[in-house]
Amino acid sequence: QLQLQESGPGLVKPSETLSLTCDVSGGSIKNYFWSWIRQPPGKELEWIGYIHHSGATNYNPSLQNRVIISVDTSKNQFSLKLTSVTPADTAVYYCAREWGLDASWRWLDPWGQGTLVTVSS
Amino acid sequence: EVVMTQSPATLSVSPGERVTLSCRASQSINSHLAWYQQKPGQAPRLLIYGASTRATGIPARFSGSGSGTVFTLTISGLQSEDFALYYCHQYDNWPPYTFGQGTKLEIK
Repeated sequence: QLQLQESGPGLVKPSETLSLTCDVSGGSIKNYFWSWIRQPPGKELEWIGYIHHSGATNYNPSLQNRVIISVDTSKNQFSLKLTSVTPADTAVYYCAREWGLDASWRWLDPWGQGTLVTVSS
Repeated sequence: EVVMTQSPATLSVSPGERVTLSCRASQSINSHLAWYQQKPGQAPRLLIYGASTRATGIPARFSGSGSGTVFTLTISGLQSEDFALYYCHQYDNWPPYTFGQGTKLEIK
């Protein structure tokens, strides 16, 4: 059974870089797309971006100037970096596998448990 | 960006009842819609994809319908474990993928 687990600092100072890792177990990271999604407290889900095991990426236009998603197939993990954070970036961050019957249209399954990142000095 | 609008924001129902949750897209998304269930402190769980196909292990009391811009999630015979948050997600027109703001199903 595929499982995803996010890890990283729970507190980041404003203007610094948020860094998270998603460890994939129970299956290979290869041949899939992998996403990061976040949910600010009391607000809706926001898709951040995805990466393919080949390294191809696609980002939410609203965040693309600050986001870098990378993959390490040898460790079966992928990572998120969000630069120049502000308190508005405080959220629960989730990683998830993209899955679909067609290469172009994919839903999210499964998801990691999520990790809360607070941006505060 | 496709805006997804869910209604109502909160639904108070009794166990055993049948309930319908709505999700509307700002433009046609064909049938590229998924529904997720989220309980407090847990990750979202996929219920429905392709607007109407149940994910593996999802009970038959969950059903999805719709295409284009109007979609529904119906839960027949509500059980105690069904009281949760429900989100719809469009994956037709991206980037970005977008989600509805959620419907909270609470016990009446």
